[in-house]
Amino acid sequence: GAGVSQSPSNKVTEKGKDVELRCDPISGHTALYWYRQSLGQGLEFLIYFQGNSAPDKSGLPSDRFSAERTGGSVSTLTIQRTQQEDSAVYLCASKGAGTYNEQFFGPGTRLTVL
Amino acid sequence: GQNIDQPTEMTATEGAIVQINCTYQTSGFNGLFWYQQHAGEAPTFLSYNVLDGLEEKGRFSSFLSRSKGYSYLLLKELQMKDSASYLCAVSPSGNTPLVFGKGTRLSVIA
Repeated sequence: GAGVSQSPSNKVTEKGKDVELRCDPISGHTALYWYRQSLGQGLEFLIYFQGNSAPDKSGLPSDRFSAERTGGSVSTLTIQRTQQEDSAVYLCASKGAGTYNEQFFGPGTRLTVL
Repeated sequence: GQNIDQPTEMTATEGAIVQINCTYQTSGFNGLFWYQQHAGEAPTFLSYNVLDGLEEKGRFSSFLSRSKGYSYLLLKELQMKDSASYLCAVSPSGNTPLVFGKGTRLSVIA
C-alpha cells in the first residue's frame, strides 16, 4: 500500500474487555514496530518484529499485552482485560531493509477504556 | 539508561526563526531523527543526522554534536501550519526501536 494503515482509528471499550488493534505495514517492509503514546508522554516502545526472527517484546508493559505478525506482513496487537491506564494512542511503524532507521508511522488507533 | 530531553512547549511568531533543542543519553548511537506530528495525526519524518554538523532541507535544518549529545531543529520563515509537536528520537543501533523524547509543542502565532 501507499503507507502504513491501522484499524480501527478509534476504539472505546469497557474495563475488563479484550481489544485487537490491526496494523498493515508498507508492502515489503521487513521491520514492524508498535509504540504507545499517552497524553503528555513520548512514544513508548512496545514490541518489534524483524523478518522471521523472534519478536523483541521487551517493551510490553504487562502480560495482558501480546502481538503477532502473520506472514511477515499484517500485525495484530491484543490487549486482554483492558484497564483505564491502557487508554492511549497506539502507533504502528514499519521500516524497509537496507535503509537507515527511518520508520514510517501509521495514523494510530486511539483507545479509550471506560 | 535511555534519556532524551526537549522543551515541552515553545511559542514563536509567524515569519520568525525558532530553534528546538534536544539532548540525549543513550546506550548506543546510530543516528538522530526529528519527526513532526500534527494533533491527531501520525508522526512524519523531517530529518536524520548521524554525523556531526548541519543538515539543511528547505526551511528546516537539523544539527548534531555527538560529543555533546546534542541536536537542534531550526525552523525558518515560520508558517501557521508549522504549529505541531516536534519529536526528537535516537536510534541506539541498527533496526532497534527508536527512543523518543516527549516532544516539543510549537505554537506559531500571528
